[in-house]
Amino acid sequence: GQSLEQPSEVTAVEGAIVQINCTYQTSGFYGLSWYQQHDGGAPTFLSYNALDGLEETGRFSSFLSRSDSYGYLLLQELQMKDSASYFCAVGHQAGTALIFGKGTTLSVSS
Amino acid sequence: EAEVAQSPRYKITEKSQAVAFWCDPISGHATLYWYRQILGQGPELLVQFQDESVVDDSQLPKDRFSAERLKGVDSTLKIQPAELGDSAMYLCASSPGRGYEQYFGPGTRLTVT
Repeated sequence: GQSLEQPSEVTAVEGAIVQINCTYQTSGFYGLSWYQQHDGGAPTFLSYNALDGLEETGRFSSFLSRSDSYGYLLLQELQMKDSASYFCAVGHQAGTALIFGKGTTLSVSS
Repeated sequence: EAEVAQSPRYKITEKSQAVAFWCDPISGHATLYWYRQILGQGPELLVQFQDESVVDDSQLPKDRFSAERLKGVDSTLKIQPAELGDSAMYLCASSPGRGYEQYFGPGTRLTVT
């Protein structure tokens, strides 16, 4: 079977740092992607890890450990606009469709 | 900035009726995906096209769903007949080839009554 596990909800305050974890069990692994989706909106691409380690893009960073089948998305200096759902997604191989997790709803309060 | 276009944005239909959704991907993107997203869940792949060819339709309920991308550009997803369980958001995405980075359209929210 194939599964991605991530927490269903996370809450934090403005300015804080939050980490959203993702563990996966899939047949074949090419890389781990992260997407953000605001209520009523479309998913938008945030980051991608194919190799172990940390990728940084502004306030967002993503980490991957292939040996542990684990990754996380780190959001720093949280802002109200970061309130959204965050999905981890796995690709089997280059160019194939993604398998998405169920998503983590992040609520940022002032 | 180029975007994926979808229409209609909202569709209400009665069960047993036929519905169709249209998607126009970002120009030059050879790969097109149709996903279904149920509220509170992640998107699930229905069908993937590479140009005009179907690459993966293993999760498409072929007894009622069909999809085409005749000229390798825009695409249509059809449901006939619609069932109550088909109520969901239908998302179209395109990619220039890097499957990990997909660009999603605004989706069509389908309600079957």
